[in-house]
Amino acid sequence: TQLLEQSPQFLSIQEGENLTVYCNSSSVFSSLQWYRQEPGEGPVLLVTVVTGGEVKKLKRLTFQFGDARKDSSLHITAAQPGDTGLYLCAGEGEETSGSRLTFGEGTQLTVNP
Amino acid sequence: DVKVTQSSRYLVKRTGEKVFLECVQDMDHENMFWYRQDPGLGLRLIYFSYDVKMKEKGDIPEGYSVSREKKERFSLILESASTNQTSMYLCASSLMGRKAFGSGTQLSVL
Repeated sequence: TQLLEQSPQFLSIQEGENLTVYCNSSSVFSSLQWYRQEPGEGPVLLVTVVTGGEVKKLKRLTFQFGDARKDSSLHITAAQPGDTGLYLCAGEGEETSGSRLTFGEGTQLTVNP
Repeated sequence: DVKVTQSSRYLVKRTGEKVFLECVQDMDHENMFWYRQDPGLGLRLIYFSYDVKMKEKGDIPEGYSVSREKKERFSLILESASTNQTSMYLCASSLMGRKAFGSGTQLSVL
């Protein structure tokens, strides 16, 4: 079974601060996805990274896939209270198919005004 | 946008009851999934299906079964609910790697 470890599990910061969430594994993934989930809702896909070393930006969010495709990071610049939520990384293994994903435990982010 | 609809947002059942969780998607996706989500454990895959009448076990299938009689509908069945099945259940469908989730069903088994 492939495992994805996310850190930190909880993060509470002030509005305007920067933060980074990490997602690490000893396994290689063919792709890695980041989701955001709000209370009472299902996860919503933010981005998919496929190529080792790939960097994608979504407004103030920057996603990076490690060169070896075993790890990823999410960096938020100048966090806003609206960024509060549960962030999940999920990897699709090289041996699997059909969008079967392994999820990390999640990072609960709270941005205080 | 894909819409994945789960029939109930909240359910309270008693130990030993048979429980049905229903999920419907409106985008003709072939792949459908059932996960449970527990604090500190992330999402764990229970069962998935690549086609009508086809099902495969995920990582934690024990105590669950599924049914996919029509492409748009994927049902999760708890034959005899137990307290350790209290959880948030999430249904998802996907096509070409893009996955969409329902809003979840919070099931409490007393």
